[in-house]
Amino acid sequence: GNSVTQMEGPVTLSEEAFLTINCTYTATGYPSLFWYVQYPGEGLQLLLKATKADDKGSNKGFEATYRKETTSFHLEKGSVQVSDSAVYFCALGTQGADKLIFGTGTRLQVFP
Amino acid sequence: EPEVTQTPSHQVTQMGQEVILRCVPISNHLYFYWYRQILGQKVEFLVSFYNNEISEKSEIFDDQFSVERPDGSNFTLKIRSTKLEDSAMYFCASTGWNEQFFGPGTRLTVL
Repeated sequence: GNSVTQMEGPVTLSEEAFLTINCTYTATGYPSLFWYVQYPGEGLQLLLKATKADDKGSNKGFEATYRKETTSFHLEKGSVQVSDSAVYFCALGTQGADKLIFGTGTRLQVFP
Repeated sequence: EPEVTQTPSHQVTQMGQEVILRCVPISNHLYFYWYRQILGQKVEFLVSFYNNEISEKSEIFDDQFSVERPDGSNFTLKIRSTKLEDSAMYFCASTGWNEQFFGPGTRLTVL
């Protein structure tokens, strides 16, 4: 079946460090891939998405590239800030309006 | 910017009681969803709804759960007889096509 695997957290970084959060997926067909962010006490916000192979999603300095050959969608940011501290969820959707399948989430903690 | 809204933000109930969680999806969206997140765990799909009927449901969505779109704007999740393990954050989402917008969630606490 379809699934998403994320790296375990928490990820602890100093401000301005480089961030990578790994995400790999298993899916039939050609899924769309998403990163959602959940700030403390809040709901889920779409951070970025990619709908086909080799697409790069980007937003707020975060990037992720849809790699079909490695079935990956790793999240990166060149210089994290304290305000980026949150839980990040990788997700896939197999059709336009289909349900999303989420990974377990990765908590990021950024210290000054 | 249009957004999905949910009420209440926090619901406390006694085990065995019925609860109704309410959502107002984005007005021109056609697909609606409920997800839940048990504290510290991943977000899990419960049910999707399209054209006034359930289009898919997960194993979690048993006979204790039901959904309804009682009018043109609200989308509700009812739990008939709550259990302790129903304590979770419940998220409503809606989509026109290909991007789901989530509400802020309702935290349900079953005592």
